[in-house]
Amino acid sequence: DIVLTQSPGTLSLSPGERATLSCRASQTVSSSYLAWYQQKPGQAPRLLIYGGSIRPTGIPDRFSGSGSGTDFTLTISRLEPEDFAVYYCHCQQYTNSPPLYTFGPGTKVDIK
Amino acid sequence: QVQLQESGPGLVKPSGTLSLTCVVSGDSITNNWWSWTRQPPGKGLEWIGEIYHSGRANYSPSLKSRVTISMDKSKSHFSLNLSSVTAADTAVYYCARHVAVTGTRGFDIWGQGTMVTVSS
Repeated sequence: DIVLTQSPGTLSLSPGERATLSCRASQTVSSSYLAWYQQKPGQAPRLLIYGGSIRPTGIPDRFSGSGSGTDFTLTISRLEPEDFAVYYCHCQQYTNSPPLYTFGPGTKVDIK
Repeated sequence: QVQLQESGPGLVKPSGTLSLTCVVSGDSITNNWWSWTRQPPGKGLEWIGEIYHSGRANYSPSLKSRVTISMDKSKSHFSLNLSSVTAADTAVYYCARHVAVTGTRGFDIWGQGTMVTVSS
């Protein structure tokens, strides 16, 4: 089964700075099957990126996803106060039948 | 506006069965795959399983022996049953809609979540 590892565990930054979050898979993942979520305390996760790099309607363009193979990145170009939260990557193992969905352990972005 | 709303008992006794329902509004339940995911207090997200309107369901291997997900299209809801629960099943349980774009994956609409505690 695929294991997703996210780094760093915690990222301490100031508003206006650039955030780079990493998600590494234990085996090759189709970028089309890679998603990123933001979660704030007491709230459900919110989809930020799906299909590796596609932003759903309403997601600001400061959020971008990239990567391929086993290494994927979520970039927040300039942190806004509302961006301090936990971020999870998520993928489906498309080589398996039936499908299996896996979440990474999360990266917490907090205010420096 | 698509909305998902989970409901069910907030307290389940050990060895009992956890039963939750997710009501879908603003979208046809026959348009997408639908999933259940959970999050123990202070921990990360764990996918439980998914269902399609055909009745086809897939489950996490770690929970497969205890999980059943079903759908009632007439009521526009899908349900989760998790049997033989222990304290380790204490979590916030979320239902979610899969992205409808062919060839991509992601859960684009989530319910607010419902906390279920397993305790005697």
